[in-house]
Amino acid sequence: AQKITQTQPGMFVQEKEAVTLDCTYDTSDPSYGLFWYKQPSSGEMIFLIYQGSYDQQNATEGRYSLNFQKARKSANLVISASQLGDSAMYFCAMREGQQGGSEKLVFGKGTKLTVNP
Amino acid sequence: EPEVTQTPSHQVTQMGQEVILRCVPISNHLYFYWYRQILGQKVEFLVSFYNNEISEKSEIFDDQFSVERPDGSNFTLKIRSTKLEDSAMYFCASSERTGSGSPLHFGNGTRLTVT
Repeated sequence: AQKITQTQPGMFVQEKEAVTLDCTYDTSDPSYGLFWYKQPSSGEMIFLIYQGSYDQQNATEGRYSLNFQKARKSANLVISASQLGDSAMYFCAMREGQQGGSEKLVFGKGTKLTVNP
Repeated sequence: EPEVTQTPSHQVTQMGQEVILRCVPISNHLYFYWYRQILGQKVEFLVSFYNNEISEKSEIFDDQFSVERPDGSNFTLKIRSTKLEDSAMYFCASSERTGSGSPLHFGNGTRLTVT
């Protein structure tokens, strides 16, 4: 089974509008972390935001927020007031376990976001 | 802000040749990783490295791959005899600690093209 599922291969949004990128995950580990990364066309991977499984509140970082619904195992990224520079691939990823556990980050297939002027 | 640096940004090599991809992780980070991304596909874990030894590796990381931390700052990935299917973007990453709450910080990647 896929650990991380991103069902939207591509999304379009108008500049200045908000957009939600979907991510669902699958784990039986009670301790896990969810991450979103941005990959512009230049190729680098930029860390955006993190949500821990025990966090009571949804994570926010500037224009990025994470809509974390633990019971539904979803961790959707919300980008508010989209800018042209937000056009990129966005990857959801998960890291399982307590410190000292598995170290690998498992990625979804990504969503390509295009912001239209 | 400190960052992970990778060199070269692009490497072209012939099938069967050896390549070494280089990385300088963030200086106070203790855990190092290599990931790869075949064009248009998702990012895949290769190997993690801590305390001068491999701590975890994927099935992709077979005998043709090796990693090394030759000095206090560099972290290298060697591919002994490259194959066409090794063409990909290779990302180095580092993190301060393990555990679900510690983000990985990635370098800008090395695009490897095997001809």
